[in-house]
Amino acid sequence: AQSVTQPDIHITVSEGASLELRCNYSYGATPYLFWYVQSPGQGLQLLLKYFSGDTLVQGIKGFEAEFKRSQSSFNLRKPSVHWSDAAEYFCAVATNTGNQFYFGTGTSLTVIP
Amino acid sequence: KAGVTQTPRYLIKTRGQQVTLSCSPISGHRSVSWYQQTPGQGLQFLFEYFSETQRNKGNFPGRFSGRQFSNSRSEMNVSTLELGDSALYLCASSRQGGENSPLHFGNGTRLTVT
Repeated sequence: AQSVTQPDIHITVSEGASLELRCNYSYGATPYLFWYVQSPGQGLQLLLKYFSGDTLVQGIKGFEAEFKRSQSSFNLRKPSVHWSDAAEYFCAVATNTGNQFYFGTGTSLTVIP
Repeated sequence: KAGVTQTPRYLIKTRGQQVTLSCSPISGHRSVSWYQQTPGQGLQFLFEYFSETQRNKGNFPGRFSGRQFSNSRSEMNVSTLELGDSALYLCASSRQGGENSPLHFGNGTRLTVT
């Protein structure tokens, strides 16, 4: 069965520090992987996506993620965090036969000045 | 291009009542999905519609239903509301669903059941 695990419920980083949010997935076929960000009271905004090809994908707001098939991981990174990055981050995997997405439980990011 | 629009933003209902939520997808998007978001359960898939047909369904009771109109707009209905139905309901659209079709989310409808 498809599933997504985000091991870190909450992460706190200092502004300017680097960030890595972890994501592990379970899916039998080639996964379609996504990272979304949600600010309070808002919907989810797409940060980046992986369908195929280069395993390092670039997204908006300076984020990138690396797909590692051997580790079933799709970790999100940012070299220097800004205070405006404080939000909830969700990793998701989509099936390739329909439009059903499976989301992780999210990682809440706090940025301290 | 306008984003996904959900109405209303907030709803307060009493247990036992029913409620209808509305979603207008991005122009040109034919797939509409609904998700329930709660602090304890995260994002749970409700159902997905494509060309007026329900294509996928999550593991929710029959009190949760939906439909899609010919202009791709979608509605979701919850009957006989329970306290546990309090949640943020998110609608998302995509061009056609499946591969190469990321979801684009609305800002959600916050439903409170008292």
